[in-house]
Amino acid sequence: QSALTQPASVSGSPGQSITISCTATNIDVGGYHYVSWYQQHPGKAPKFLISDVSDRPSEISNRFSASKSGNTASLTISGLQAEDEADYYCSSYITGSTRLFGGGTKVTVL
Amino acid sequence: EVQLMESGGGLVQPGGSLRLSCAASGFSFSSYWMSWVRQTPGKGLEWVARIKQDGSENFSADSVKGRFTISRDNVQNSLYLQMNSLRVDDTAVYYCARDFGRLGLDYWGQGVLVTVSS
Repeated sequence: QSALTQPASVSGSPGQSITISCTATNIDVGGYHYVSWYQQHPGKAPKFLISDVSDRPSEISNRFSASKSGNTASLTISGLQAEDEADYYCSSYITGSTRLFGGGTKVTVL
Repeated sequence: EVQLMESGGGLVQPGGSLRLSCAASGFSFSSYWMSWVRQTPGKGLEWVARIKQDGSENFSADSVKGRFTISRDNVQNSLYLQMNSLRVDDTAVYYCARDFGRLGLDYWGQGVLVTVSS
């Protein structure tokens, strides 16, 4: 069973940096797998933030950055702000095939 | 401006069928893969299905395989999800999203609620 594992919650104080991890298990990486990140505020649709192979959309703050090493991808939020309090999801894409989402991480700004 | 607007949700009994639609505008619809993603109330996101630009290829999650069918009409700029043999655990908000392949799902609709209950 393929899975992407995220921490259930991460918290930080305003101005701090936090990192959300996303670890892939049992994903067929015969093709490369790409990871993208999404932000969702309560009652709203998810919003694309960034992927590991592209720049952020122009409307996304440069406080969000993504990286990947082996089977673990990470999203870092720098200079944490109150508006960053939301749920964050990673998603894996296998070339020409299916997608998979992680379980989501609730970010709390203390 | 890219816009995606889902419709067709509602209340359906277990074992019933429902067809969701997603009207796309503001971009060249026929140039992009498209996906459906769902979210059970209070839970996380689950990718459901995706379809190639010309409709010649599609993939779906194991949880819906054989019950849900994704399709598209590039003349009407519309995406569809035919849902058959619905189960209580199919209850969710369903989102359509533009599928930019390795770059991610870059635009999402506002979602439509499907409730499966007797």
